[in-house]
Amino acid sequence: KAGVTQTPRYLIKTRGQQVTLSCSPISGHRSVSWYQQTPGQGLQFLFEYFSETQRNKGNFPGRFSGRQFSNSRSEMNVSTLELGDSALYLCASSLTRQGRGTGELFFGEGSRLTVL
Amino acid sequence: AQTVTQSQPEMSVQEAETVTLSCTYDTSESDYYLFWYKQPPSRQMILVIRQEAYKQQNATENRFSVNFQKAAKSFSLKISDSQLGDAAMYFCAYRRLRETSGSRLTFGEGTQLTVNP
Repeated sequence: KAGVTQTPRYLIKTRGQQVTLSCSPISGHRSVSWYQQTPGQGLQFLFEYFSETQRNKGNFPGRFSGRQFSNSRSEMNVSTLELGDSALYLCASSLTRQGRGTGELFFGEGSRLTVL
Repeated sequence: AQTVTQSQPEMSVQEAETVTLSCTYDTSESDYYLFWYKQPPSRQMILVIRQEAYKQQNATENRFSVNFQKAAKSFSLKISDSQLGDAAMYFCAYRRLRETSGSRLTFGEGTQLTVNP
């Protein structure tokens, strides 16, 4: 069973540009969430999508947005990039968004964004 | 809001010995999940062990075990017979169980574990 796939793995952008990152969850997983990881702020929750609807949103400016498609694949977009957006962006998928289940999230390898 | 604290930024252990990583959390919820994730240099977060708050028995996965103290809001990870491959950043994470909370994880700051040969 394929794991969570994120593309691209690495990318370099300049300030003011925009970027789109893609995440394909594990087959059958309907919940996809995104996290930003930086040395200074650690791991911070960006947003979660379930059945094409954003269910939760972290404390990030409106420049950060996302969407989920009918096949559960998700994209996140960052517009008007700033130097501080340089980070590892992690995507995670889970089987269910509620209820007991196993509760765990499965992570991809991340997309390393560098903003110059 | 829930918070997770890992007070040990770095830890080291000799190969084959035992090490314990600490984690405390703050929540007003009574039902939730706790996790330990491992992030090696390859960057992928890997689940090490999970604990459901309603279960009093401490979770165990091979060489990994937890000491879950619900009243003290403490969730430590013990790694026995440490191996070189255990070297990584370890994150403690909390997840609410409420229907509206989704699958959002709150992470601690992480503990960098070094295993010395």
